[in-house]
Amino acid sequence: EVRLLESGGGLVQPGGSLRLSCAASGFTFRNYAMNWVRQTPGKGLEWVSAVSGTGGSTYYADSVKGRFTISRDNSKDTLYLQMNSLRAEDTAIYYCARDPSRMLTWLLDYWGQGNLVTVSS
Amino acid sequence: EIVLTQSPGTLSLSPGERATLSCRASQRVTNTYLAWYQQKPGQAPRLLIYGASSRATGIPDRFSGSGSGTDFTLTISRLEPEDFAVYYCQQYDSSFPRITFGGGTKVEIK
Repeated sequence: EVRLLESGGGLVQPGGSLRLSCAASGFTFRNYAMNWVRQTPGKGLEWVSAVSGTGGSTYYADSVKGRFTISRDNSKDTLYLQMNSLRAEDTAIYYCARDPSRMLTWLLDYWGQGNLVTVSS
Repeated sequence: EIVLTQSPGTLSLSPGERATLSCRASQRVTNTYLAWYQQKPGQAPRLLIYGASSRATGIPDRFSGSGSGTDFTLTISRLEPEDFAVYYCQQYDSSFPRITFGGGTKVEIK
């Protein structure tokens, strides 16, 4: 059974940093590209970032480029999202989601349960 | 950027009825790279349909997708109690940004 479990969210002040983790199980992690997607009541679902199966290719939404960094450790079956210079508008539930291919197809076939990040003073 | 517009915003139906959800793209979606997701309260989205009309693993055949170009439809032939949820369409074109979502359609019990 494919399982994705996010952690690392919480309350952080504007300008602060946070690192999200997504622990994968039930599949061969290195064979799949991975994504981060966030959801807010006001803006709905927003794709944030993606990384290929090897970690060699990364992509970012304009809204987070230069502030967020996606990475993965295939020896630990874990995906990361380092979030710096956080803003109030980054407040959202963050999901990790699997792409059904090692190279990105931009389809999301399995999602984690989500992790809330709140940016507020 | 491809903008996806879903309609209606809310659909009020009874169990057993047919649901028809629309997703319209601002530009042609290449190769019918259009997917549909279901989201229930407190849960993550679940992939239902990809390639506009292919059902994902384990999805019942009462769910069907159709369309091409800029107009796509998700049909639920007979609503079951567990089908009342929010449905999102998503394009996964090769243009950047590669993933965009529609605003969602809520299917609620009438």
